[in-house]
Amino acid sequence: RKEVEQDPGPFNVPEGATVAFNCTYSNSASQSFFWYRQDCRKEPKLLMSVYSSGNEDGRFTAQLNRASQYISLLIRDSKLSDSATYLCVVRYSGYSTLTFGKGTMLLVSP
Amino acid sequence: DTAVSQTPKYLVTQMGNDKSIKCEQNLGHDTMYWYKQDSKKFLKIMFSYNNKELIINETVPNRFSPKSPDKAHLNLHINSLELGDSAVYFCASSLLGGKAGTDTQYFGPGTRLTVL
Repeated sequence: RKEVEQDPGPFNVPEGATVAFNCTYSNSASQSFFWYRQDCRKEPKLLMSVYSSGNEDGRFTAQLNRASQYISLLIRDSKLSDSATYLCVVRYSGYSTLTFGKGTMLLVSP
Repeated sequence: DTAVSQTPKYLVTQMGNDKSIKCEQNLGHDTMYWYKQDSKKFLKIMFSYNNKELIINETVPNRFSPKSPDKAHLNLHINSLELGDSAVYFCASSLLGGKAGTDTQYFGPGTRLTVL
């Protein structure tokens, strides 16, 4: 079983739509959780950390369910510039390195 | 100013050659990393260095040898290149090496290696 699994995508949505990405992780020792964004042929960049109580940053809302080992990202009012691959990322307790999911591609069309 | 920089951006070479990729960060971070992103876009850790010392080596073939002359630089040397080494290699750095839960990693722009 893969350590971090995501919806394969791609998700094709019109501008203004709300879209949700899901992610599950297999290692219960996972300590920290993130969503990264990667544009085509570019490096991954941190979108937001995910906190236990859930957190919001503008149009983006992240949720964490430790019991189910599940993370989600909700994007409201999608913009064309949101088109990218969204990577679910976990850090295991005691480790500095990140474990990435394969990513879910989002395509927002006019 | 670029925070994490890598050179070269593109590298095309023949099988069997030896090549190096350089990485520098000007963020004052203690920890640097090398990741490999293969053709399936899967990003995987290769090495992690903290203050010039190797702390993680994720079962990478010993043809790959990282070198950290100082904590701002982490270079990757690859011997006897193989077709399967073709990928994008990303360097990254972080301040605390994961000691704080939300320690952020900053990635360089990547080096696209093509082995012919």
